[in-house]
Amino acid sequence: SQTIHQWPATLVQPVGSPLSLECTVEGTSNPNLYWYRQAAGRGLQLLFYSVGIGQISSEVPQNLSASRPQDRQFILSSKKLLLSDSGFYLCAWRSGDRNSNQPQHFGDGTRLSIL
Amino acid sequence: SQQGEEDPQALSIQEGENATMNCSYKTSINNLQWYRQNSGRGLVHLILIRSNEREKHSGRLRVTLDTSKKSSSLLITASRAADTASYFCATGNSGGSNYKLTFGKGTLLTVNP
Repeated sequence: SQTIHQWPATLVQPVGSPLSLECTVEGTSNPNLYWYRQAAGRGLQLLFYSVGIGQISSEVPQNLSASRPQDRQFILSSKKLLLSDSGFYLCAWRSGDRNSNQPQHFGDGTRLSIL
Repeated sequence: SQQGEEDPQALSIQEGENATMNCSYKTSINNLQWYRQNSGRGLVHLILIRSNEREKHSGRLRVTLDTSKKSSSLLITASRAADTASYFCATGNSGGSNYKLTFGKGTLLTVNP
């Protein structure tokens, strides 16, 4: 069966420090991968998605970047964090099947607090 | 902008009652999906309904889709305290990218024992 791992669960970082959040998927090949941010009491905002190694699509201009160095690894990064980067970050995967009627499967998220 | 908008924003009911949440969207869709999120956790997929389907059941869940009104509803029957969570609708849009979902802001459901 497929599993998704996202870490760390919580992170407290000072303003201006770098960031690296990692997400890995097991039990599937060539998944579509996603990074979302969720503000308190709000819906999900899609930040990045990837349909293959090295292929990254950015949905919103921001202080963050994403990379996919391996088929089942998706990394969210920042060189210098801002206070506005605080939030709950969720990684998700979806079958790479071109059939559009596929659900997404989520990790347990990372709670990022910027001080 | 948000594609899906859930209504109500918050719903509080007693255990054993039914809970109905609604979702409206704006553009053509391939499918509509409902997800559940327990506090501080990731989202869990509940049910997917395709644009050519009108109703779908899964256990105590019933989802309807009315593409003419661009709306969907999620009914949870015989609710339990463990159903307390936020519920989100998400739309997979027709045309363009098949890979993305657009999520609403969610309905916070509280089931009181």
